[in-house]
Amino acid sequence: KAGVTQTPRYLIKTRGQQVTLSCSPISGHRSVSWYQQTPGQGLQFLFEYFSETQRNKGNFPGRFSGRQFSNSRSEMNVSTLELGDSALYLCASSPWTPPYEQYFGPGTRLTVT
Amino acid sequence: AQTVTQSQPEMSVQEAETVTLSCTYDTSESDYYLFWYKQPPSRQMILVIRQEAYKQQNATENRFSVNFQKAAKSFSLKISDSQLGDAAMYFCAYRTNNNNDMRFGAGTRLTVKP
Repeated sequence: KAGVTQTPRYLIKTRGQQVTLSCSPISGHRSVSWYQQTPGQGLQFLFEYFSETQRNKGNFPGRFSGRQFSNSRSEMNVSTLELGDSALYLCASSPWTPPYEQYFGPGTRLTVT
Repeated sequence: AQTVTQSQPEMSVQEAETVTLSCTYDTSESDYYLFWYKQPPSRQMILVIRQEAYKQQNATENRFSVNFQKAAKSFSLKISDSQLGDAAMYFCAYRTNNNNDMRFGAGTRLTVKP
């Protein structure tokens, strides 16, 4: 099976702009989670989707949003970008059955200038 | 709240030797799952090993094994015969059976010395 794919891999944006990141899960996986990874804060959970519904949400401002499509592909959007949003954004897919292990994509490196 | 603590920000090991990475977690649940993930420098995060809390036997995957102490809420990872390719950030993670979000520790950076 193909692994989790994320596009784009690298992105440079200007403060105030918005950005959309995409994630395609492993075939058959119906759950997608998003994480923000920075050197100072480690791995921070953003949200998790299953069957097009947000199931869990982390402690991030409303500028961060996401959605999942009927084919389980997911997008996350960050509006009004801030310098502190520069990070590696990781997507992980899971089959939503025990043990709920997650499989990660390579990430999208977002740089905000 | 369920939290995961990795008390060792950095560890180093000599090639071919054994190293143990520590992880403790806090939970009131009895049914849950524990994981160790590895993230090599500039590379993808991969699952190393998993442990179901209801299983008393410690999980093993080749050179990787865990010491799961449920009462102590401890889940350490032992890497035997360390190789240069084991150098990475290692994350301990926890997830309940009622499918709350996965909780990750802060990570331990492992250096392998030749």
